[in-house]
Amino acid sequence: DAKTTQPPSMDCAEGRAANLPCNHSTISGNEYVYWYRQIHSQGPQYIIHGLKNNETNEMASLIITEDRKSSTLILPHATLRDTAVYYCIVRVAGSGGYQKVTFGTGTKLQVIP
Amino acid sequence: AAGVIQSPRHLIKEKRETATLKCYPIPRHDTVYWYQQGPGQDPQFLISFYEKMQSDKGSIPDRFSAQQFSDYHSELNMSSLELGDSALYFCASSSTGLAVSSGDTQYFGPGTRLTVL
Repeated sequence: DAKTTQPPSMDCAEGRAANLPCNHSTISGNEYVYWYRQIHSQGPQYIIHGLKNNETNEMASLIITEDRKSSTLILPHATLRDTAVYYCIVRVAGSGGYQKVTFGTGTKLQVIP
Repeated sequence: AAGVIQSPRHLIKEKRETATLKCYPIPRHDTVYWYQQGPGQDPQFLISFYEKMQSDKGSIPDRFSAQQFSDYHSELNMSSLELGDSALYFCASSSTGLAVSSGDTQYFGPGTRLTVL
């Protein structure tokens, strides 16, 4: 799986958009970009994923650059409950139980009142 | 929507004892992954099962074993527990029946916190 680089920490004011960057310059053509977050000591929570198109769901938006070497997770209106460690992961999708999630160090997002 | 269920949520054991952690995947999910998260660390992959067969293996100690049963639930058995086994243990499940565009997304359970005294 491709290696990712994320800033170790970020602050965001409550109610503002949180933009979390991720670099994955060695991503392969068949690797997806996934985002998970982990609120303190809870199970990692799936947020969103994409291959090459921008994606949006009820939680967030994912913007992937045209060359796929970087992406940005956008939380449109951050709340205090969004304070968590956010992990950007690139991995091949598929079946058979071979697609483990390899967590890096992630970005610790602190939402400030 | 149904989520991954793990039991127990908390477990306290003495050194050299054994522990069994259970994972009940999301209905119709056929693949289970186990992860270990030590204090202040990121989750690390231990082992995975697909259709009741072990499929991938990470840094799982020989003292640990796991299996997936016919109803797709999985158990992680840990013997000769050591202080360093104190950690959060997460189970995740996914489905091969989903379209590729769904990306084989893994959904994680709430975890079992194991404390070895």
